[in-house]
Amino acid sequence: GQQLNQSPQSMFIQEGEDVSMNCTSSSIFNTWLWYKQDPGEGPVLLIALYKAGELTSNGRLTAQFGITRKDSFLNISASIPSDVGIYFCAGLIIQGAQKLVFGQGTRLTINP
Amino acid sequence: DAGVIQSPRHEVTEMGQEVTLRCKPISGHNSLFWYRQTMMRGLELLIYFNNNVPIDDSGMPEDRFSAKMPNASFSTLKIQPSEPRDSAVYFCASSLVLTYNEQFFGPGTRLTVL
Repeated sequence: GQQLNQSPQSMFIQEGEDVSMNCTSSSIFNTWLWYKQDPGEGPVLLIALYKAGELTSNGRLTAQFGITRKDSFLNISASIPSDVGIYFCAGLIIQGAQKLVFGQGTRLTINP
Repeated sequence: DAGVIQSPRHEVTEMGQEVTLRCKPISGHNSLFWYRQTMMRGLELLIYFNNNVPIDDSGMPEDRFSAKMPNASFSTLKIQPSEPRDSAVYFCASSLVLTYNEQFFGPGTRLTVL
């Protein structure tokens, strides 16, 4: 079945540093989504990407849909304490019915 | 404006017992999704409904799991009988139309089966 490899699994950074994480797969996806999950809460959508090569920003967040449609990355610039959480990528495949596959998540910890 | 409401927030039960998780989607949303999250398997889609009709239940682990949506404002996920490996956080999400990019997740139900 389809799988997403998300890396790194965890990151420990200093406040103010930039962050980069990515997801790769052997499968082709129609849409890439990036979510953030805070402790005790459900995931919240950060950015949605719909076209190969698309580069989209949301404040300090920037994400790109890979040209091959098999990968995506998320960058966070100038990290702040509230960026702490778990970030998930998700790829949407449309094969008859839609199927959404999630990465395993990147846990971000920020030292003030 | 209320978001997706799930109850209970925490459930502890013993193996073999029936468990029912409840979800109230955002008013006016036509699609509802049930997910399970574990450390080992991450976030998995179990089933989703559109206009109260189950569209894809291929993610439901086995026959012990069942989901219903009797009306547009309520859905249940039932596990009978429950097993320790069912311990996980179960999320419900809803969207205005059947599109993943506009899903709003509930806070989840943390289920522990002893």
